[in-house]
Amino acid sequence: NAGVMQNPRHLVRRRGQEARLRCSPMKGHSHVYWYRQLPEEGLKFMVYLQKENIIDESGMPKERFSAEFPKEGPSILRIQQVVRGDSAAYFCASSPRSTLTGELFFGEGSRLTVL
Amino acid sequence: QKEVEQNSGPLSVPEGAIASLNCTYSDRGSQSFFWYRQYSGKSPELIMSIYSNGDKEDGRFTAQLNRASQYVSLLIRDSQPSDSATYLCAVFWDTGRRALTFGSGTRLQVQP
Repeated sequence: NAGVMQNPRHLVRRRGQEARLRCSPMKGHSHVYWYRQLPEEGLKFMVYLQKENIIDESGMPKERFSAEFPKEGPSILRIQQVVRGDSAAYFCASSPRSTLTGELFFGEGSRLTVL
Repeated sequence: QKEVEQNSGPLSVPEGAIASLNCTYSDRGSQSFFWYRQYSGKSPELIMSIYSNGDKEDGRFTAQLNRASQYVSLLIRDSQPSDSATYLCAVFWDTGRRALTFGSGTRLQVQP
């Protein structure tokens, strides 16, 4: 019974490179949320997607960041031309329904370090 | 004003005591409230939800909601060292953002 799977768990990039983070939701879940967590801080909402649709991207920076959740395959959060300030833990969460009861199932996170 | 505010702590309590964690939020219409626990280096996990004014109990945990004062709290009775973690308050508003908004979390330390 696989939970939310994220990979890679750890990613090191140099400034200017691209980072791709992948998230496979729990089986039967079609709603995916991406959050960013800086050290000693809470979770900051980035984007909410359903299959093939971006529902709410109000928390995602307009430049360099993009997200997708294709019909087949995992959701991907892409960060282009990374900068040191992008260093953070990126958590993906999934939910079986759109009306939130708060039951978000989180993956273990992908920790991005930008050198 | 932040949408969801928590004292970052750390809140230190002795083993067996009651830990009280508080959270205030912006009033933006109908809301639902949640408490998540996050161990260091791990992912958050839901421990309590509350939708109505008053108290909701689940084992050693009690969530309290006061809509008039715009705060929600979490009480942990008989605190154990294994309760040492960061507790995140989260709010879902029926309008606006279609996702949970989290506070910055309160770090709890239970001293054996």
